[in-house]
Amino acid sequence: GAGVSQSPSNKVTEKGKDVELRCDPISGHTALYWYRQRLGQGLEFLIYFQGNSAPDKSGLPSDRFSAERTGESVSTLTIQRTQQEDSAVYLCASSLGGGGKDTQYFGPGTRLTVL
Amino acid sequence: GESVGLHLPTLSVQEGDNSIINCAYSNSASDYFIWYKQESGKGPQFIIDIRSNMDKRQGQRVTVLLNKTVKHLSLQIAATQPGDSAVYFCAGPTQGGSEKLVFGKGTKLTVNP
Repeated sequence: GAGVSQSPSNKVTEKGKDVELRCDPISGHTALYWYRQRLGQGLEFLIYFQGNSAPDKSGLPSDRFSAERTGESVSTLTIQRTQQEDSAVYLCASSLGGGGKDTQYFGPGTRLTVL
Repeated sequence: GESVGLHLPTLSVQEGDNSIINCAYSNSASDYFIWYKQESGKGPQFIIDIRSNMDKRQGQRVTVLLNKTVKHLSLQIAATQPGDSAVYFCAGPTQGGSEKLVFGKGTKLTVNP
């Protein structure tokens, strides 16, 4: 079956521009997560959506970062006024019920480069 | 804050040998742990998980051991193959029952033919 998909796979932007990253979770998965992975580092939690509950935004590094999710489907992560330190791979994951022990399935990521 | 960390950033083994990747954690309330494999240019792929009420769990060619006394877990890969070359991450919840995971920095496993 289809896994988690993300687009674009690569994004190069200039400092100060806004970018939008898209995630399509696995159909039927109610939980969706965004992570950031800097070069050679582990994954850093950004935000978590579970069903119709208010999202957990506790991992967002600044108010330049925001994310939305339409129902239990597509999510977009927006970074405004991008900075060079935003350069990283942004990974999206989804899980069946968000019960804490449900396996998170990851997409291939979007590699963001801010010049 | 909570942390989960790998002991060694790189590990090189010969094809056919067994590999052991270690991880330490700080949150004694963590109730489960997961190992992920990440190949170059791809997202992490689930390998195996273990609940805190277990000491050992086996999968296909992989075994995870959990030592809660010293807050240590390990991933053992039997008869390592070139296709096992990847970065391996351990992860655990930020707190018991949490959906948010804390990831270690990863160990890069290289399998030499």
